[in-house]
Amino acid sequence: AIQLIQSPSSLSASVRDRVTITCRASQGLVNAVAWYQQKPGKTPRLLIYDIYKLESGVPSRFSGSGSGTNFTLTISSLQPEDFATYFCQHYYSYPYSFGQGTKLETK
Amino acid sequence: QVQLVESGGGVVQPGGSLRLSCAASGFTFGSYGMHWVRQGPGKGLEWVAFIRYDESNQYYADSVRGRFTISRDNSKNLLFLHMNSLRPEDTAVYYCAKDAWKSSSFDYWGQGTLVTVSS
Repeated sequence: AIQLIQSPSSLSASVRDRVTITCRASQGLVNAVAWYQQKPGKTPRLLIYDIYKLESGVPSRFSGSGSGTNFTLTISSLQPEDFATYFCQHYYSYPYSFGQGTKLETK
Repeated sequence: QVQLVESGGGVVQPGGSLRLSCAASGFTFGSYGMHWVRQGPGKGLEWVAFIRYDESNQYYADSVRGRFTISRDNSKNLLFLHMNSLRPEDTAVYYCAKDAWKSSSFDYWGQGTLVTVSS
């Protein structure tokens, strides 16, 4: 099974900061990578799919990049509503899996 | 709009069984693959199972294979997860999620139903 390792596990940042979260896979994923945001007590929300494609309704300050086994989620200018936990996911082959999550907190 | 509503969660003893349901609306249910994903208390997301739109294939996480069965009723827009031989480590919020039409990511999720396995 493909393993996904996110880093960092937690991150303290301030409004208007640029933030980058990385996701490393145990094997190449072609373009089968997505990113989700989850706020406490809420359902996960799809942000990015196919490495870099922005889901409808997601602000353009979110972006994804990467290739092979290394992928990143970047928030260009952090907003108050962005403090949440972020998960990467692969859908390259079954079983699918998620990274362990990155909790983004207020500095 | 798309809605996914899970039900069937509750408290069950180790070794027991439970059936979860997910009622879908707002899209052509029979045209999309569907997933179950769970999240243990204070933990991350764990993919559990998938069923193709036409029930032709099912896939499972190693942790549940042989104990859980995913199924669907396209005539009633319902997704199911039959859980047997439940263990304390199966305690989690269980979400149903819909395959996105443009990729195999999950574009809509239900609100989740809590399963607690405890004696």
